[in-house]
Amino acid sequence: EAQVTQNPRYLITVTGKKLTVTCSQNMNHEYMSWYRQDPGLGLRQIYYSMNVEVTDKGDVPEGYKVSRKEKRNFPLILESPSPNQTSLYFCASREVAGGSYEQYFGPGTRLTVT
Amino acid sequence: QKEVEQDPGPLSVPEGAIVSLNCTYSNSAFQYFMWYRQYSRKGPELLMYTYSSGNKEDGRFTAQVDKSSKYISLFIRDSQPSDSATYLCAMISTSYGKLTFGQGTILTVHP
Repeated sequence: EAQVTQNPRYLITVTGKKLTVTCSQNMNHEYMSWYRQDPGLGLRQIYYSMNVEVTDKGDVPEGYKVSRKEKRNFPLILESPSPNQTSLYFCASREVAGGSYEQYFGPGTRLTVT
Repeated sequence: QKEVEQDPGPLSVPEGAIVSLNCTYSNSAFQYFMWYRQYSRKGPELLMYTYSSGNKEDGRFTAQVDKSSKYISLFIRDSQPSDSATYLCAMISTSYGKLTFGQGTILTVHP
């Protein structure tokens, strides 16, 4: 089954404790992206990657890091989480060639930073 | 000003009603227009995808794009309780390749 998976689905942590949210897709997509979703603000892009070893900032990159060492994986790293990073996070992927801009989303990771 | 503005709702309608969801945008470079549906505790999933101005129909759903007015709509006919979800408009410019979302509208269809 074609899918985007994220882990963990729920995470409660404390300020300053480094964490990683993993994302993996099995559709051989070149493009992968991370979003955060907050009430009244919709989905905002954090970082994206057009291919392996190619990453770039989205609209709200501060406090986040990403890496793309393999095509299928795109982890999101919070080096020193703060309470304002409490949010619902989604990973997404899509193909680049072929002209389809449809993005496939993972199930989400709900992060709470206390 | 946000690039994409979506009527925030929430909307609550009786079963069988016609629902209209709307977004306006300011960036003339947007070329592809989408509607995503997001059920509670799930990721968004693509519902409709259009390129040109005009209407596109898929079952009970109709997506409408008016590029001259920078306005898109999603109509749901004969709404069902299973349509209860958050609906997000999204649009993309092929020049930037970035999907820009509206804020989302929470829709509840009650029996």
